[in-house]
Amino acid sequence: EVQLVQSGGGLVQPGGSLRLSCAASGFTFSTYWMTWVRQAPGTGLEWVAHIKEDGSQKIYVDSVKGRFTISRDNAKNSMSLQMNSLRVEDTAVYYCARWERAGELFDYWGQGTLVTVSS
Amino acid sequence: QTVVTQEPSFSVSPGGTVTLTCGLSSGSLSTNYHPSWYQQTPGQAPRALIYSTNIRSSGVPDRFSGSIVGSKAALTITGAQADDESDYYCVLYMGSGIWVFGGGTKLTVL
Repeated sequence: EVQLVQSGGGLVQPGGSLRLSCAASGFTFSTYWMTWVRQAPGTGLEWVAHIKEDGSQKIYVDSVKGRFTISRDNAKNSMSLQMNSLRVEDTAVYYCARWERAGELFDYWGQGTLVTVSS
Repeated sequence: QTVVTQEPSFSVSPGGTVTLTCGLSSGSLSTNYHPSWYQQTPGQAPRALIYSTNIRSSGVPDRFSGSIVGSKAALTITGAQADDESDYYCVLYMGSGIWVFGGGTKLTVL
């Protein structure tokens, strides 16, 4: 069974940092792109970042470029999102998701973790 | 910047048919945008419904179907059921590895 289990998140002040993790199981992690998607309170989904199977390609939405870093450790079947210089507008539930390239879809999702940026 | 548009809300009667659409603020949508659809109920992670315009994800009932209608991607629910009441999101591939979600449609079944 494919599982994505997230950890991290919490309350942080503006300008602070936080690291989210996503532990994968039930599939060959190293053969899939992985993604972070977020959802601000009461709003829709926003694609945040994408990382290639081997970590050699990383793509970000403009609003987080230079502040967020997506990474992965294929030996540990895990992915992370390092979030620096956090802003109030980064407050959201963050989801990790597996991207299935053949179908071009986000087919499995983590449970989500809340990040609150507030003073 | 191109915005992905969806109806904010829609209502359908139980057993009825409803078509939700997904478009672009400028230009026409085609299969090259690889439209996919996701269902989300409150407090839950999204669930993949449709990908590559019209392919149902594993385990999705056949009352859900996808298509291109005119210049928009469409999600049609035929024979709506009470538990179809959810938020529905489309997402489009914009090239260069960038994906953009629509604002979502809140579907009410009543």
